[in-house]
Amino acid sequence: DTEVTQTPKHLVMGMTNKKSLKCEQHMGHRAMYWYKQKAKKPPELMFVYSYEKLSINESVPSRFSPECPNSSLLNLHLHALQPEDSALYLCASSPAWGTEAFFGQGTRLTVV
Amino acid sequence: GDSVTQMEGPVTLSEEAFLTINCTYTATGYPSLFWYVQYPGEGLQLLLKATKADDKGSNKGFEATYRKETTSFHLEKGSVQVSDSAVYFCAYLNNAGNMLTFGGGTRLMVKP
Repeated sequence: DTEVTQTPKHLVMGMTNKKSLKCEQHMGHRAMYWYKQKAKKPPELMFVYSYEKLSINESVPSRFSPECPNSSLLNLHLHALQPEDSALYLCASSPAWGTEAFFGQGTRLTVV
Repeated sequence: GDSVTQMEGPVTLSEEAFLTINCTYTATGYPSLFWYVQYPGEGLQLLLKATKADDKGSNKGFEATYRKETTSFHLEKGSVQVSDSAVYFCAYLNNAGNMLTFGGGTRLMVKP
């Protein structure tokens, strides 16, 4: 199994909604990441988890709340988002520091 | 600061043409370098990598050589196909090994 699986694939939410994005990998990777990608732009790092502990938060607004319940799962909880938060949200994992990252297919989020 | 610069696209080629996408980086030390590809509506796929100077990464007919003296990692393919149409991202991994920095991406369009 060499996949990073993200659900849902598409999500439309209102500005008062609470929703969660899910990411799962079964490759035994110990580092997991959330990236945000706006149209025609490169991915931007949001959060890094290492051994289930948050190690990097790139000054992301508190309306985005990550969670790593175990070594295979990574969630991103969303609350009170703005239309400008609409983007493709990518999850990635890597075996350890210093190695390549493997990306999921992404969740395309639209905030209305 | 550290950065990755890619040639701006779109790059439009006819099928079977030779492809070069330029990538240069500014970073301390000798970071690992990567090329990722993103097909329409999908996440990023690792295309190839190089972890030290003079390494050549290759995959699916694509090649890139880590040139320390010119701080470059140009992507090449001898004969492109319509199915190669995608956005290509050059990236490097920081010295701590926990953060990928991406170039702006180069859109490739291959016409039959």
